[in-house]
Amino acid sequence: NAGVMQNPRHLVRRRGQEARLRCSPMKGHSHVYWYRQLPEEGLKFMVYLQKENIIDESGMPKERFSAEFPKEGPSILRIQQVVRGDSAAYFCASSPPGRWGNQPQHFGDGTRLSIL
Amino acid sequence: GENVEQHPSTLSVQEGDSAVIKCTYSDSASNYFPWYKQELGKGPQLIIDIRSNVGEKKDQRIAVTLNKTAKHFSLHITETQPEDSAVYFCAAFEGGTSYGKLTFGQGTILTVHP
Repeated sequence: NAGVMQNPRHLVRRRGQEARLRCSPMKGHSHVYWYRQLPEEGLKFMVYLQKENIIDESGMPKERFSAEFPKEGPSILRIQQVVRGDSAAYFCASSPPGRWGNQPQHFGDGTRLSIL
Repeated sequence: GENVEQHPSTLSVQEGDSAVIKCTYSDSASNYFPWYKQELGKGPQLIIDIRSNVGEKKDQRIAVTLNKTAKHFSLHITETQPEDSAVYFCAAFEGGTSYGKLTFGQGTILTVHP
């Protein structure tokens, strides 16, 4: 069974460019979460999505950041007009559907985004 | 929202010793507490979890305890091995939601010396 797949593993962008991060959840998982990890810090929740729906984006900056999880294909985290402060590791997690939602989340190996 | 505090930030032990990492949380409605191990360049790996209706859970050399009254939970690793060296994160689900919004602690760097 393939785990959560994220690509690219490393992404370098210049200030003002766009960054697109992709996440394919584990087979059978319909819930996707994105987290950001700054150096030597814990992970911070950004957004929670189900297929074609954004459920909670309370942790995502209001500007320049967007996320989607289309009916077909991976979930995408998009950062427009990147700035130096966007440099971080971005992790995607997925979980199976569950009545109360507190299902174990399994993480991918992340995308390390570096802004020049 | 939920706030999770984790201690210590670094922990150094000799191979074979036990290691204990402690976390406190603020939201009494939180009901699920996973622990993750993160190795360099990798994503967090779920190693054990506990739900609020249970006080203790064991899986081989790893155990987690939960005290709901005091709002703290701990990870216990016995007979540590060098391959246990990693960063460990505790987390808590935010209570009051029907989905899994995790709040993480700051992490503990565990070093096991051979």
